[in-house]
Amino acid sequence: AQSVTQLGSHVSVSEGALVLLRCNYSSSVPPYLFWYVQYPNQGLQLLLKYTSAATLVKGINGFEAEFKKSETSFHLTKPSAHMSDAAEYFCAVIKGSGGYQKVTFGTGTKLQVIP
Amino acid sequence: DVKVTQSSRYLVKRTGEKVFLECVQDMDHENMFWYRQDPGLGLRLIYFSYDVKMKEKGDIPEGYSVSREKKERFSLILESASTNQTSMYLCASRPGTGDVGRETQYFGPGTRLLVL
Repeated sequence: AQSVTQLGSHVSVSEGALVLLRCNYSSSVPPYLFWYVQYPNQGLQLLLKYTSAATLVKGINGFEAEFKKSETSFHLTKPSAHMSDAAEYFCAVIKGSGGYQKVTFGTGTKLQVIP
Repeated sequence: DVKVTQSSRYLVKRTGEKVFLECVQDMDHENMFWYRQDPGLGLRLIYFSYDVKMKEKGDIPEGYSVSREKKERFSLILESASTNQTSMYLCASRPGTGDVGRETQYFGPGTRLLVL
């Protein structure tokens, strides 16, 4: 079974500082990995996804994530935080094989951006 | 523009009531999903449907049922609401081409349910 672990339920950064949100996956085969963002009082929106085409994946709003097989990680980064980045971020992985595959979500990391 | 809508943003119900949460997508997607979201637990899959009148249990189906009579509509039913079902409920849809890793899952805005 595949799953993801997000380290840190809350992360605070200063405006303009580097954003680093951590995600580790457990998988015996190369997985599909996703990052979603949830702004207050909204549903989830896809930020980016890894589908084995390239290890460095660029997403919307200046975010990117690097797939590192040796570390089983897929951390999300942004060079300079903006106030509008304050949201909850979820890492996700495809679970199951064949048939009807389901997306399994991590427990989420709330990002606070301090002015 | 892609759209998943949920019938209510906020609902307050009493213990024992039958509750219907409706979800509609306008993208002709095959697959639809119901999740609940709780602090510290992330999103947990309740049920999903890969076709009209088809349904599969997710990770936490107890106390819930679903209905999919039309392709665009997926309903979540709480047969007898209990206080531990107070939560945020999110509906999602996905094309269903078979290459799930390359598909985007689209979410509705959520329904925040309070059971008293």
